[in-house]
Amino acid sequence: QVQLVQSGAEVKKPGASVKVSCKASGYTFTSYGISWVRQAPGQGLEWMGWISAYNGNTNYAQKLQGRVTMTTDTSTSTAYMELRSLRSDDTAVYYCARGTVTLNTWGQGTLVTVSS
Amino acid sequence: NFMLTQPHSVSESPGKTVTISCTRSSGSIASNYVQWYQQRPGSAPTTVIYEDNQRPSGVPDRFSGSIDSSSNSASLTISGLKTEDEADYYCQSYDSSNVVFGGGTKLTVL
Repeated sequence: QVQLVQSGAEVKKPGASVKVSCKASGYTFTSYGISWVRQAPGQGLEWMGWISAYNGNTNYAQKLQGRVTMTTDTSTSTAYMELRSLRSDDTAVYYCARGTVTLNTWGQGTLVTVSS
Repeated sequence: NFMLTQPHSVSESPGKTVTISCTRSSGSIASNYVQWYQQRPGSAPTTVIYEDNQRPSGVPDRFSGSIDSSSNSASLTISGLKTEDEADYYCQSYDSSNVVFGGGTKLTVL
């Protein structure tokens, strides 16, 4: 079955970077994009961007431009999301999901806590 | 950028039917597919409707989706409500450059 398994929780200091991984299985990795969505505590879902696993094309949310980079490793069917210059309001659960504009399978989520 | 507006909360009794709306602020609701996601407390979202009215395998036919161009909105209808349907529901759509989520609706089944 289609599955996305994310890396474990992270605690970072303000100004640091975090890189979250998302390993896919159960389908041809390059046939779908991978999206990243985050959810701050008690808040709704926020779209961060997507990457095509086929050709590496990316589309980032404007508010995160310059701080976020999404990549893929097709040899291991793994997608990565790196967020730099972390601030306290980046504290959230980060989800990967299969697809770009239609998200049909989600990872379990990775809690990133930004605290001094 | 457009916005998707959902009611903050809805409640209904077990066995009844509830409809959650999602109104697009600009651009036609029919121009781009609408998806609906269910999120139970402490869990990741799951897809209950994609491409306006399609159900993923495993989602019961009590869940249905529709769009209404006259009100520029989409709707998620859940019939025969069960206590397990109590969750947050998010609509989502997109345009040429952005993916947008609605603010979410908390469904209480009481």
